[in-house]
Amino acid sequence: EPEVTQTPSHQVTQMGQEVILRCVPISNHLYFYWYRQILGQKVEFLVSFYNNEISEKSEIFDDQFSVERPDGSNFTLKIRSTKLEDSAMYFCASRGTGFLTEAFFGQGTRLTVV
Amino acid sequence: SQELEQSPQSLIVQEGKNLTINCTSSKTLYGLYWYKQKYGEGLIFLMMLQKGGEEKSHEKITAKLDEKKQQSSLHITASQPSHAGIYLCGADQGNTGKLIFGQGTTLQVKP
Repeated sequence: EPEVTQTPSHQVTQMGQEVILRCVPISNHLYFYWYRQILGQKVEFLVSFYNNEISEKSEIFDDQFSVERPDGSNFTLKIRSTKLEDSAMYFCASRGTGFLTEAFFGQGTRLTVV
Repeated sequence: SQELEQSPQSLIVQEGKNLTINCTSSKTLYGLYWYKQKYGEGLIFLMMLQKGGEEKSHEKITAKLDEKKQQSSLHITASQPSHAGIYLCGADQGNTGKLIFGQGTTLQVKP
């Protein structure tokens, strides 16, 4: 069964530090996403990525965030200067087509900013 | 913008009992997805519905989308402890394939 892989599973970082969350989407998928879930809250959309560029981003995805697909297999989310409120579970997802198909989610990276 | 509201927020049932979780959308649904999440883990896909009146089943879980495509229900028959977790409904929004989610329904099944 194909799966989306995320690393690390848990990251603790000091406020103000940069973090990079990594994801390996399913190999033949074309659409990639990052979501986050603050403890006890909804899963929220952050950004979608298609054809090597951002196709949509939410209000949460400000200048502190960036995404990249550096080598055709990895998909990364960078947070330049972490804040306490960035503490959350971050999920990567991929889809074969843009909609009306299953979105495969990774197991998530739990980011704790101290 | 579209909002998804799930009810109930939490549910405790005795093993063997049936239960239903509802998801109501503020706008017409074009793709409705049910996912299950264990606490602190990823989302596991259960089912996708897209046509009004559509119904799908997998093992003891049945999902339906109403004719107006604004409400979906997830029904579990003869619940088991393995059904425990958080059930999320999600919907396609826009043309970039992003999903929006309801707030989730936490299910506990007592043996």
